[in-house]
Amino acid sequence: AQRVTQPEKLLSVFKGAPVELKCNYSYSGSPELFWYVQYSRQRLQLLLRHISRESIKGFTADLNKGETSFHLKKPFAQEEDSAMYYCALSSNTGFQKLVFGTGTRLLVSP
Amino acid sequence: GAGVSQSPRYKVAKRGQDVALRCDPISGHVSLFWYQQALGQGPEFLTYFQNEAQLDKSGLPSDRFFAERPEGSVSTLKIQRTQQEDSAVYLCASSLAFSQPRVRYEQYFGPGTRLTVT
Repeated sequence: AQRVTQPEKLLSVFKGAPVELKCNYSYSGSPELFWYVQYSRQRLQLLLRHISRESIKGFTADLNKGETSFHLKKPFAQEEDSAMYYCALSSNTGFQKLVFGTGTRLLVSP
Repeated sequence: GAGVSQSPRYKVAKRGQDVALRCDPISGHVSLFWYQQALGQGPEFLTYFQNEAQLDKSGLPSDRFFAERPEGSVSTLKIQRTQQEDSAVYLCASSLAFSQPRVRYEQYFGPGTRLTVT
């Protein structure tokens, strides 16, 4: 079965602290992994995808197939990073039906 | 440019009423998805269209849910005889094309319709 697990509902850090949002998945095959973000009063938007291997707004995520994880990291959190973050996966073939985790709310305090 | 739009943004229905939720995808986007997001949960897939063809409706929770996209652009999600458990945010997303191997298209989400069934 396809499943995405985000164990933390809320992650609260101070500005400048490192951040790691955890994501584990189960999938038979080779999925594609994504992080989506939803800022307050805004729509859900793509933050990054594992195949791009890029850093967006200082965030990076590495796919660890051995641990079936795709944790999102940022070395120095900013207040504007406060948002809801969703990890998601899709098949790497066919259309991209997304399977989402339950989300982690990141709160960065000054 | 205009993104994905959805209407209405909020809908309150009495149990047993029928509702229709509209999605206007980005112009030219071939793929269209509907997701349901219950309170405190992540979005869950409902159905997928490629142009006017509904290629996957495996996520529709019951036969009270029906979706269509007759001309390959605007889509409507209809819920008949609404129940309290249908209360959720309904999200629509569109992407440029059907995914080809090693070619991936971003899904752009609309603002959602918040449905409350009383």
